[in-house]
Amino acid sequence: DIQMTQSPASLSASVGDTVTVTCRASQSISTYLNWYQQKPGKAPKLLISSASSLPSGVPSRFSGRGSGTDFILTINTLQPEDFAVYYCQQTYNTPYTFGQGSKLEIK
Amino acid sequence: QVQLQESGPGLVKPSQTLSLTCAVSGGAISNGDHYWSWVRQPPGKGLEWLGNIDSSGSTHYNPSLESRVIMSLDTSKNQLSLRVTSVTAADTAVYYCARGVAFWPYYMDVWGMGTTVTVSS
Repeated sequence: DIQMTQSPASLSASVGDTVTVTCRASQSISTYLNWYQQKPGKAPKLLISSASSLPSGVPSRFSGRGSGTDFILTINTLQPEDFAVYYCQQTYNTPYTFGQGSKLEIK
Repeated sequence: QVQLQESGPGLVKPSQTLSLTCAVSGGAISNGDHYWSWVRQPPGKGLEWLGNIDSSGSTHYNPSLESRVIMSLDTSKNQLSLRVTSVTAADTAVYYCARGVAFWPYYMDVWGMGTTVTVSS
């Protein structure tokens, strides 16, 4: 199985800040990397696909980059609604493994 | 707009079989452009992919549960099903069904709200 490791596991920031979350794969996954946002009591929501593509409706303050084994999610100018848990997921091989999640909290 | 709705018993006894369905509206599960997944989330923990089934009924299961998991499609009812046999407390979780795109990069773009399953006697 491909292991996905996210860092940090948790981070605190203020509205208006810029934050980054890192995701590392245990082997190269090209750009078969997706990011999801999950708010308490809600289902995950697709945030970024193929490492850097934003689905329709996702604000442009979210961005992603990377390929191979190292990936980064960046959120610019944090908004109150951005405080959530973020998961990366590889879809290069089954099982489609998720990272352990990164919890973004308000400072 | 495609919508997914999971349903099933909220309480299952240890050693029994957990059975869930996911009703799909707004699109046909027989559409070859998509696959269908189950993902679960134990209380306070992260997401675990359980497996996929495509429109032809071909499945891929997580090896961690492969011997206990069965996924199926019912095109007449436009729904998918999940069965997990011989459950233990470790199977207590919120179970989500999700739609994936059957082409690179295979992301999951539509999710159900999830249904909570507790394994307890």
